[in-house]
Amino acid sequence: NAGVTQTPKFRILKIGQSMTLQCAQDMNHNYMYWYRQDPGMGLKLIYYSVGAGITDKGEVPNGYNVSRSTTEDFPLRLELAAPSQTSVYFCASSMRQGVNYGYTFGSGTRLTVV
Amino acid sequence: QKEVEQNSGPLSVPEGAIASLNCTYSDRVSQSFFWYRQYSGKSPELIMSIYSNGDKEDGRFTAQLNKASQYVSLLIRDSQPSDSATYLCAVGSGTYKYIFGTGTRLKVLA
Repeated sequence: NAGVTQTPKFRILKIGQSMTLQCAQDMNHNYMYWYRQDPGMGLKLIYYSVGAGITDKGEVPNGYNVSRSTTEDFPLRLELAAPSQTSVYFCASSMRQGVNYGYTFGSGTRLTVV
Repeated sequence: QKEVEQNSGPLSVPEGAIASLNCTYSDRVSQSFFWYRQYSGKSPELIMSIYSNGDKEDGRFTAQLNKASQYVSLLIRDSQPSDSATYLCAVGSGTYKYIFGTGTRLKVLA
């Protein structure tokens, strides 16, 4: 059981480049989330999805896009990378929200924009 | 703006002592509360969840919830150096998502 798998683990982008961060889960979870974590700033929600075909913005969606064509996959697209997008990105999933349904996190993608 | 606040620390405790980590939240209608442990350079890992007032125990960990005062705490008994990590508090916000605190860094001194 792989859980939540994120690729790549590390990436360096030049300003203006684009890339897709991949996230896949094999737990048949409906809810999936993308967070970024900056030092001392906690986890900020970028986008989330409550099921295939349904996505919504979180706290910091500017500069990002998502899609959810299947239950398993939830890729995050960065267009025109900027230094402010240098961060660690975590994908997470949950069966549903509630007392016994916390998140399972992927191992993260460390992105540097230069 | 719904908020979850934690003291950033570091909180230093000697090995074998009880570590007490606290979290306050602003949204009175929050119903679900979680504690995550995050080792340096790693992803957060769920360690406790609670939604009823009172205490919930799991091994060396006890989560405490007081909805009237809007705080949730985590006690770690018999603290070990391996407990040294950042502990994130997360509070259910609305129907689908959580708000995370910025975390408290715990250092257990051998």
